[in-house]
Amino acid sequence: KAGVTQTPRYLIKTRGQQVTLSCSPISGHRSVSWYQQTPGQGLQFLFEYFSETQRNKGNFPGRFSGRQFSNSRSEMNVSTLELGDSALYLCASSRTPGGLETQYFGPGTRLLVL
Amino acid sequence: DAKTTQPTSMDCAEGRAANLPCNHSTISGNEYVYWYRQIHSQGPQYIIHGLKNNETNEMASLIITEDRKSSTLILPHATLRDTAVYYCIVRVEGYSTLTFGKGTMLLVSP
Repeated sequence: KAGVTQTPRYLIKTRGQQVTLSCSPISGHRSVSWYQQTPGQGLQFLFEYFSETQRNKGNFPGRFSGRQFSNSRSEMNVSTLELGDSALYLCASSRTPGGLETQYFGPGTRLLVL
Repeated sequence: DAKTTQPTSMDCAEGRAANLPCNHSTISGNEYVYWYRQIHSQGPQYIIHGLKNNETNEMASLIITEDRKSSTLILPHATLRDTAVYYCIVRVEGYSTLTFGKGTMLLVSP
């Protein structure tokens, strides 16, 4: 079956702009989690959505937001981009929330902020 | 979640066992030890997890010390495709908020 897909794969933005990233989970998976990965900070949890509700949120500023649609697809938005937001943004899906071992990761969206 | 400490990098010869250590001295009684790996340019991949008993699956074995303050991930016969960054994470099962550390870069050589 198809894996987790993320679009776009690469993105270049300038400071102050906003960006929206999309994630389509594996069919039948209702939980979607987002992570940010940078060389300095490693992989950090952003938030998790299940049945269109945010279930958990990591320690990120309010500029980072997300949502989930009724078909379980999810989007994350970053407003007023900063240089430090340059990172690989990973999406992971699972059947149920909180199940780390059942999370399947997508290839990520690499965001570069200039 | 409890903090983990892993070596920055390790080398292993192809076909030999790779033993990756992890210290988690502040682990709580209800926290599990999870291992994930990330091959270059791919998303992380789940490997194995355990609470206090040793665990084995088709990918690896997990050895947790009796006091649960450290663990070792064992890849019994490392291949070149096992070259990746390996992350050790401790967290409460069912709770998704987590932070990966910098992990161990395992380089498997011919």
